[in-house]
Amino acid sequence: GIQVEQSPPDLILQEGANSTLRCNFSDSVNNLQWFHQNPWGQLINLFYIPSGTKQNGRLSATTVATERYSLLYISSSQTTDSGVYFCAVAGANNLFFGTGTRLTVIP
Amino acid sequence: DGGITQSPKYLFRKEGQNVTLSCEQNLNHDAMYWYRQDPGQGLRLIYYSQIVNDFQKGDIAEGYSVSREKKESFPLTVTSAQKNPTAFYLCASSRDRLGDTQYFGPGTRLTVL
Repeated sequence: GIQVEQSPPDLILQEGANSTLRCNFSDSVNNLQWFHQNPWGQLINLFYIPSGTKQNGRLSATTVATERYSLLYISSSQTTDSGVYFCAVAGANNLFFGTGTRLTVIP
Repeated sequence: DGGITQSPKYLFRKEGQNVTLSCEQNLNHDAMYWYRQDPGQGLRLIYYSQIVNDFQKGDIAEGYSVSREKKESFPLTVTSAQKNPTAFYLCASSRDRLGDTQYFGPGTRLTVL
């Protein structure tokens, strides 16, 4: 299957700081999604981004499909941004998740 | 409200028993998915269904079974053949094809004693 690697595995930020999360994948993919999992386990879709750049408020994402990576930018972080961020890629017949980046934002 | 519901939130079972997890959606989505998440890990796809009465195995289907008799419902049975069933199970749906934007339910934590 497609290997999905996320970095860094853990990140601790002071409130108000900016951060960049990275997702590398091992093969061509049909699409890529970024999710946020809150401390209670709920997953929320942040971006559907097979290529290009999208922005939603303080979050933005860029996928460079030809180089097999995607970046998630979080600006002016807030404590509510804490949780685990996953990227997931779709191959022909399966979906593959990375192991996530655990973000902790401290006040 | 539109969304995906999973029940129960917590489930305890004795080893050797089959157990069925419920997943219902009222988003009118064609595709539904079941994932398993172990502590500190990402999600792994168990089964998915892109249309009623059809479903496909994901990465880790052994020891699990599903049915899709109605568009709104995609129950997952964890059988006694599943070696390590204790995990967090998440159901999701998307508008149609595999890999479309996915919406997740709140999950069921299954503990097998």
